[in-house]
Amino acid sequence: GQQLNQSPQSMFIQEGEDVSMNCTSSSIFNTWLWYKQDPGEGPVLLIALYKAGELTSNGRLTAQFGITRKDSFLNISASIPSDVGIYFCAGQLVLGANSKLTFGKGITLSVRP
Amino acid sequence: DGGITQSPKYLFRKEGQNVTLSCEQNLNHDAMYWYRQDPGQGLRLIYYSQIVNDFQKGDIAEGYSVSREKKESFPLTVTSAQKNPTAFYLCASSTGTSNQKLLFGSGTQLSVL
Repeated sequence: GQQLNQSPQSMFIQEGEDVSMNCTSSSIFNTWLWYKQDPGEGPVLLIALYKAGELTSNGRLTAQFGITRKDSFLNISASIPSDVGIYFCAGQLVLGANSKLTFGKGITLSVRP
Repeated sequence: DGGITQSPKYLFRKEGQNVTLSCEQNLNHDAMYWYRQDPGQGLRLIYYSQIVNDFQKGDIAEGYSVSREKKESFPLTVTSAQKNPTAFYLCASSTGTSNQKLLFGSGTQLSVL
């Protein structure tokens, strides 16, 4: 089945630093989604990407849909303490009436003040 | 404001007991989903429903059951057949399964006594 790879499992950065995360797959997707989960809460959608090569920003967040359709990147600039959480990528492949959404295992981000 | 409500936030199950997790949405979304989250394991799909009175098994349906008698409600029952039920359970909804920009509830933590 489809698998999404997110690594490393944990990242530790200093407040103010930029951080980049990537998500790779052995299969192609036609939609990429990035979610953030705060401790004890449900994930919240950050950015959705629908087209290969697409670059989309949401405040300090920027995400890109890889040209090969097998990867996506999320960048966070000038990190702040509230960026702490788990960041999940998800890929969706829609084929006719069928659709499957696959999640990565997530990257836990810690920000040192 | 529209949203998804999960209850209870914390639930304890005794051996051999069935427990039911509630999920209600007032977004008029057609599709609803249940995911299980274990530490470091990402999100795994248990069941999903695209329409009232219809639902499909996800990747880990064994030991779980669902119903969709109303568009707004998609309760999940964790049966005694689920031998390792301790996990964080997330309910989500979307306008349809072809558009999986999921909106998640705040989750239910289930633990075994």
